[in-house]
Amino acid sequence: DVKVTQSSRYLVKRTGEKVFLECVQDMDHENMFWYRQDPGLGLRLIYFSYDVKMKEKGDIPEGYSVSREKKERFSLILESASTNQTSMYLCASSQGGANTEAFFGQGTRLTVV
Amino acid sequence: LAKTTQPISMDSYEGQEVNITCSHNNIATNDYITWYQQFPSQGPRFIIQGYKTKVTNEVASLFIPADRKSSTLSLPRVSLSDTAVYYCLVRRATYNQGGKLIFGQGTELSVKP
Repeated sequence: DVKVTQSSRYLVKRTGEKVFLECVQDMDHENMFWYRQDPGLGLRLIYFSYDVKMKEKGDIPEGYSVSREKKERFSLILESASTNQTSMYLCASSQGGANTEAFFGQGTRLTVV
Repeated sequence: LAKTTQPISMDSYEGQEVNITCSHNNIATNDYITWYQQFPSQGPRFIIQGYKTKVTNEVASLFIPADRKSSTLSLPRVSLSDTAVYYCLVRRATYNQGGKLIFGQGTELSVKP
């Protein structure tokens, strides 16, 4: 089975902390994604990576950065966490091409206090 | 990428067929139409994808007219477990866009006994 694993299910961090959310996939997929999901706003794309070291901004990249040093791992970094970054964060991966299925992790619920 | 528009919510009863229509007026020649399902506290899950005409799998059917400016997801004989949010997406088949997934607000389907 394809597996996308996010390092934490729940996370509580303090304002101003640097936060790392890790995502690992085991299917040798080229594409990886980070989304955040908030009530009433749906899923919003933060960053997208289509190859190692390649990244593209999504709709809401402000306050976030990403790292993809290895194909299987895509990290989302909150440089200085703020309360408005409290959200559910979802990672996904897919094989290259537009006609392939994307697989999602279970999500990390991040609370910034 | 083409913006998608779909109803915010729909209600149905068990055993009925449900059709959710999505409009994507600015769809391009190399775009695919994809549908995902999301249950509470879970990541989205791929349901079906198509380019034109009709696609059917064990879960749903997808109808795409010749102009491709809309698509209809059909769920036959829904049950309570089909209560979920359904997302329509358009994906582009180019190298660095080939996996990019942009979610809209989705349609919240509620199935009643």
